[in-house]
Amino acid sequence: ETGVTQSPTHLIKTRGQQVTLRCSSQSGHNTVSWYQQALGQGPQFIFQYYREEENGRGNFPPRFSGLQFPNYSSELNVNALELDDSALYLCASSSGGGQQETQYFGPGTRLLVL
Amino acid sequence: GESVGLHLPTLSVQEGDNSIINCAYSNSASDYFIWYKQESGKGPQFIIDIRSNMDKRQGQRVTVLLNKTVKHLSLQIAATQPGDSAVYFCAEGGTGGGADGLTFGKGTHLIIQP
Repeated sequence: ETGVTQSPTHLIKTRGQQVTLRCSSQSGHNTVSWYQQALGQGPQFIFQYYREEENGRGNFPPRFSGLQFPNYSSELNVNALELDDSALYLCASSSGGGQQETQYFGPGTRLLVL
Repeated sequence: GESVGLHLPTLSVQEGDNSIINCAYSNSASDYFIWYKQESGKGPQFIIDIRSNMDKRQGQRVTVLLNKTVKHLSLQIAATQPGDSAVYFCAEGGTGGGADGLTFGKGTHLIIQP
């Protein structure tokens, strides 16, 4: 086990709704990255938070937003849900933020948009 | 980062044999590479990583080889066991110091035959 936890484990929403996913990082890690994994695909980078600031972002629209808290836990918010947002959402924690360090993944939240 | 891909979607090996999973990457400037194992319903699990200043790294029953000339990465698993059945992803860390996230390939499904 990595020590990275995510909640909830599963979620069902309808198109147009908003969702908040949560992640607690591994002890000692100050960086959280979020990924979207569609069925049968590899994870795709959404964004990274380091010391409560967005540190980098992948090719995702602004309706994907996030927060990082002083204890380094993080939230991913998705507004105006679309059917294609159905996926496994993974968070990964790491240390450093300024250099490439090993990212340890949580178990993910499976989101289904109907 | 640019795309990272795997040569074969499925690899079937006999229990006890050695497994070799291959990966090609296209960004010659990438300096960090990681292998993850993902079992059904779980998040990716870190196996081993390698930086571009090395061409080989060994762990417990696993070896990663990096050939920068042909932009090729491989994961060797010795004495494959039933618990090794999973999808294996190679991932590339870009040159943005970690802030640009990891770029994953589509994955290779390793099947262990008894």
